[in-house]
Amino acid sequence: AQSVTQLDSQVPVFEEAPVELRCNYSSSVSVYLFWYVQYPNQGLQLLLKYLSGSTLVKGINGFEAEFNKSQTSFHLRKPSVHISDTAEYFCAVRRGSTLGRLYFGRGTQLTVWP
Amino acid sequence: EAGVAQSPRYKIIEKRQSVAFWCNPISGHATLYWYQQILGQGPKLLIQFQNNGVVDDSQLPKDRFSAERLKGVDSTLKIQPAKLEDSAVYLCASSFNPDRNTEAFFGQGTRLTVV
Repeated sequence: AQSVTQLDSQVPVFEEAPVELRCNYSSSVSVYLFWYVQYPNQGLQLLLKYLSGSTLVKGINGFEAEFNKSQTSFHLRKPSVHISDTAEYFCAVRRGSTLGRLYFGRGTQLTVWP
Repeated sequence: EAGVAQSPRYKIIEKRQSVAFWCNPISGHATLYWYQQILGQGPKLLIQFQNNGVVDDSQLPKDRFSAERLKGVDSTLKIQPAKLEDSAVYLCASSFNPDRNTEAFFGQGTRLTVV
């Protein structure tokens, strides 16, 4: 089975500071990578996805992520965070051979302080 | 466009009781997923439907969990009898098709507490 590792369970950061949330996945022939955000008492919302092409992917709310095949990583970054970015962030992987099944990491709680 | 609808939002039951959750996917979405999200963990797929057929139920505890998607639209997930470890948020998601290029849209979830 595919595994997804989110190295940090909690990331506190001050407003307007840059942030990086780390994600590593177990190697596979072909994978498709996703970042989802979950606000309190809400479902998951897609931030961005990597399917193919450029390894730098831009998503909503100013987030971006870079696919690094050699390091099997897909870290999420934002140059300047806002208090409204406080939420749980999940990295997810879909193997090319599976029909839509997503494997999720444990999540990273991002807390932005004023 | 209406999103994925789930009900109820919250449910508290005693262990050994039964419970059912309902999901109405986005109109036209052929694929429907049920995920279990235990506190402090990422969502884990329980079952995936393609129209009204099961594609993947390898992680579904079939001795107590069951799910159906009659007519390929709405779906229900049932637990009978519930155990304490079933306390979790149950998320329903849907996508237009299971192809890797399509996004899965999630509902708000049902938070189940088993006491």
